[in-house]
Amino acid sequence: DQQVKQNSPSLSVQEGRISILNCDYTNSMFDYFLWYKKYPAEGPTFLISISSIKDKNEDGRFTVFLNKSAKHLSLHIVPSQPGDSAVYFCAVSSGTYKYIFGTGTRLKVLA
Amino acid sequence: EAQVTQNPRYLITVTGKKLTVTCSQNMNHEYMSWYRQDPGLGLRQIYYSMNVEVTDKGDVPEGYKVSRKEKRNFPLILESPSPNQTSLYFCASSLKWGSYNEQFFGPGTRLTVL
Repeated sequence: DQQVKQNSPSLSVQEGRISILNCDYTNSMFDYFLWYKKYPAEGPTFLISISSIKDKNEDGRFTVFLNKSAKHLSLHIVPSQPGDSAVYFCAVSSGTYKYIFGTGTRLKVLA
Repeated sequence: EAQVTQNPRYLITVTGKKLTVTCSQNMNHEYMSWYRQDPGLGLRQIYYSMNVEVTDKGDVPEGYKVSRKEKRNFPLILESPSPNQTSLYFCASSLKWGSYNEQFFGPGTRLTVL
């Protein structure tokens, strides 16, 4: 059973528009949520995070929203740029020294 | 340069031939971890280590071993590899265990077991 789900395997967005990537989780005990970005032939790199005591965190063009009642996490990228084309993974901290990752969403930003 | 290194980057082997994938970090991180990435399954944690001589199982530990004799190194050992261990493997480290510590990932090791 997948505790962290990214239901959209891929997403295409026009350059300059907003990209919205979604992530759903099942366990209300998760207390910290992260997004990682992965380019081909490289390891994932940390992008942005949010703790369960907040509902929004911004870093430049990237904003993460947390809806605890819906157990839903989203990443907004505004404006989207071609260099944002990558696979995005959401991850949660399970509180038991483990991390659980989603299956990833491949974002393609069209010039 | 602060980094996590893995070797080899690519490996093709045969069923049953023991292999080790090395992982090293130069950031004095306490927490280290191994993941495998498979299509449609995302990243799944194999083993992790809180510090030297402290290791524990992740979600998919079967068929793997690890050791943490030094802080900087965290090798992944496949005693008797099987084709279902064909995957892309990532090592990662963070300053400490804790929700607020981002992980730094190595470049990955693509393993094929024939």
